[in-house]
Amino acid sequence: GAVVSQHPSRVICKSGTSVKIECRSLDFQATTMFWYRQFPKQSLMLMATSNEGSKATYEQGVEKDKFLINHASLTLSTLTVTSAHPEDSSFYICSAHHGAGATVYFGPGTRLLVL
Amino acid sequence: AQRVTQPEKLLSVFKGAPVELKCNYSYSGSPELFWYVQYSRQRLQLLLRHISRESIKGFTADLNKGETSFHLKKPFAQEEDSAMYYCAHANYNQGGKLIFGQGTELSVKP
Repeated sequence: GAVVSQHPSRVICKSGTSVKIECRSLDFQATTMFWYRQFPKQSLMLMATSNEGSKATYEQGVEKDKFLINHASLTLSTLTVTSAHPEDSSFYICSAHHGAGATVYFGPGTRLLVL
Repeated sequence: AQRVTQPEKLLSVFKGAPVELKCNYSYSGSPELFWYVQYSRQRLQLLLRHISRESIKGFTADLNKGETSFHLKKPFAQEEDSAMYYCAHANYNQGGKLIFGQGTELSVKP
């Protein structure tokens, strides 16, 4: 199947700094990418839908100025957690597909720890 | 609003026993439902989708529109089936975003 990668796999940062997480579709062009947040032993919470070349659509309750999403190409989307705080510590997962109805592929996730 | 509900947080069975992981949905249109599985330390992966009506790793799921359910079943559980299972609904009117249920941890004991 298709592959979605994320970088970094884990990151530790100090409170107040910004962290960028990359999501890449390695062997297909992803028209749409999604960003999720997952707490331990809990479900995936959709944060935003990212379409190439347009602004991301954020889910209710997700601060768009806090979680900046850029989808500049058909193979790359980035999530920047700005001015990170300990409560932002979580597992961030991206997914991608190449068209409505196509299979969605998930990245391996990025574990963020904010000290 | 679309919603996916998995009422059981943990399901523990013995090897060889039948398994049923429950999933109910609420959506006014035609549902597009999936089961995803997440093995320990691995990424989420698609197990099956209702439109394909296939059996993967011995698992099946039938869409019951009357009961708005999409329960996942396997007649004889194996230890390697132990994982987190997520039921999900895709909204193709909103870019195909997946909305997940709370997840059920399946533990198959020897």
